[in-house]
Order: sequence, then structure tokens, then C-alpha cells
Amino acid sequence: DIQMTQSPSSLSASVGDRVTITCQASQDISNYLNWYQQKPGKAPKLLIYDASNLETGVPSRFSGSGSGTDFTFTISSLQPEDIATYYCQQYDNPWITFGQGTRLEIK
Amino acid sequence: QVQLQESGPGLVKPSQTLSLTCTVSGGSISSGSYYWSWIRQPAGKGLEWIGRIYTSGSTNYNPSLKSRVTISVDTSKNQFSLKLSSVTAADTAVYYCARENGGSCFDPWGQGTLVTVSS
Repeated sequence: DIQMTQSPSSLSASVGDRVTITCQASQDISNYLNWYQQKPGKAPKLLIYDASNLETGVPSRFSGSGSGTDFTFTISSLQPEDIATYYCQQYDNPWITFGQGTRLEIK
Repeated sequence: QVQLQESGPGLVKPSQTLSLTCTVSGGSISSGSYYWSWIRQPAGKGLEWIGRIYTSGSTNYNPSLKSRVTISVDTSKNQFSLKLSSVTAADTAVYYCARENGGSCFDPWGQGTLVTVSS
């Protein structure tokens, strides 16, 4: 199965900062990569699908890029409501795997 | 819009079978090119995909759980279900059901239900 290595595992940043999270696949997954935001006690929420497409209703400060094995998730200007854990997820079917998650905190 | 809701016992004894149901509302479970999945998350840990079912009945399971997992669908009730046998404390987690769009991304999700394995 495909392993997803997400980094960093935790991150502390200030409001207004640019934040970047990376996800590396153990083999080529084309653009079959999604990003989710999970706030405490809540289900994950889809933010980015197919590596770079912004889900409807998601603020434009969120973006994704990459293909093959290396992917990047970016928040252009961190807002207080962005405090959450972020996960990447690959779907090179039939198996699905998630990254380990990145916990984002406000400095 | 489509909403999902998990239901089932919150406490299961070791070696027994965990059984959960996901009820889909706001749309037919049979419409569109959707898979219906189960995902779990132990407290303080990451997400683990358990498996999926298509309304035709075809299934895929996580290889690490395949020997213990059964996912089924009841289109007449707009529900799909999870059975996980021979549970241990390691199966204690929040269990989510989710719609999988064309075998790619999960949206929407249920709110999740905590299942504790303990005697």
C-alpha cells in the first residue's frame, strides 16, 4: 500500500503568517491527493481535492499544489479560525491512506 | 444536502463484534457515482480508512483489517453498515461514515461515534 509522509507533525505560527505543509507519497500517485481540516471534536472537512482544486466555499487563502510524489498545502495568511489539524489523503485506488496529520497552533 | 449519521453501541466487549449503521438523509444512497466508506480515528491519533461499498454491493477493505471487516448496504433503508469482528482495545476509536465521491475524496462526513472496547 502507499505510505503518506506528512510534515511537520506540528507547527506554531502567527496570525498573518504563510504556512506550508508537505506530504510525500511512497510512489507516484499523479494528482490523486486531497487535503482536510479537522477541528477538535469535529469530523474532517474537505478543503482541497485533486491536489490543487479548492472545494466550494473554502476561503481562497487555502491552496494546494504538486503531483507525482510531492505535494504542498499552503495557507497564505493564517487566521485564528485556521487552528486545526490538517491531513493529506491519497486515493490511488483501491486503497486509501492518510498522512499522519499536522497540528497547527497559533504562536 | 446529503447528511450522514452514525448509530450503534458505544461499548463493545473484547472478542465481540462491533456493529455500526450509517443513515443517509437528504438524498438517495443509490444515486450518483458514490462509494460509501467507513473511517476511524483513535483518540489523539490520525485517520484510518476501513473500507467502502458501492450500491451494487462491491466492496474494498483496508488490507490490515480485511479479515475482520464486513460492510453492507441496505438501499431500501438508505443505510450502510459496518461489522468488525474479534475486537480488542486497539479498536477503540471514533468511527466516521462518509460519502466517497467517485472513489476519491470524502464529503460529507457523519459527526462520528465513539466506540470503546472494554469489558
